[in-house]
Amino acid sequence: GAVVSQHPSRVICKSGTSVKIECRSLDFQATTMFWYRQFPKQSLMLMATSNEGSKATYEQGVEKDKFLINHASLTLSTLTVTSAHPEDSSFYICSARVPWGANEKLFFGSGTQLSVL
Amino acid sequence: DAKTTQPNSMESNEEEPVHLPCNHSTISGTDYIHWYRQLPSQGPEYVIHGLTSNVNNRMASLAIAEDRKSSTLILHRATLRDAAVYYCILRDGGNQGGKLIFGQGTELSVKP
Repeated sequence: GAVVSQHPSRVICKSGTSVKIECRSLDFQATTMFWYRQFPKQSLMLMATSNEGSKATYEQGVEKDKFLINHASLTLSTLTVTSAHPEDSSFYICSARVPWGANEKLFFGSGTQLSVL
Repeated sequence: DAKTTQPNSMESNEEEPVHLPCNHSTISGTDYIHWYRQLPSQGPEYVIHGLTSNVNNRMASLAIAEDRKSSTLILHRATLRDAAVYYCILRDGGNQGGKLIFGQGTELSVKP
């Protein structure tokens, strides 16, 4: 199956710094990627839809200036958490839509655990 | 997006079949029924999906009610590695860019 690689798997940073998370589709071209966040014992919450070559579409309540998404190529999308604060500590997960088949499934990265001190 | 309802948790014994139910009474004609599962500290992984007919793959089977208002994910022989949160999600087949909106899912525990 398709592989989505997410890096780093874990990051610890000081409050006020920015953190970049990368999401790569390794064996296919992903025109659309999705970013989720997940708090402990809760479900995944969709943050934004990332389309290659265009601006991301953010879900209601997600600050686009806080969570910068760039999808500059067909195999890479990045999420930058700017001026991170402890409340941004969460598990961030990306997924990519494979461009074949009917009602294609999504493949997910292994997630990034962000801890802001 | 049409919503799904799943039990919060279920228990199973190892090597026994597991039936995970999902209700989706407001499903529309173009909604596909998707199942994903999430192991601890990992991203979700695809399990199976279907539209109207029952589906089988190497991981599981999906039984869809005739009126499509409910479905059941069947793990034929549970193993300890099947312990995970299982999400039943409706995805609009008419919208090929459609996002997946996750509900609360069912946390499956498997006892040896």
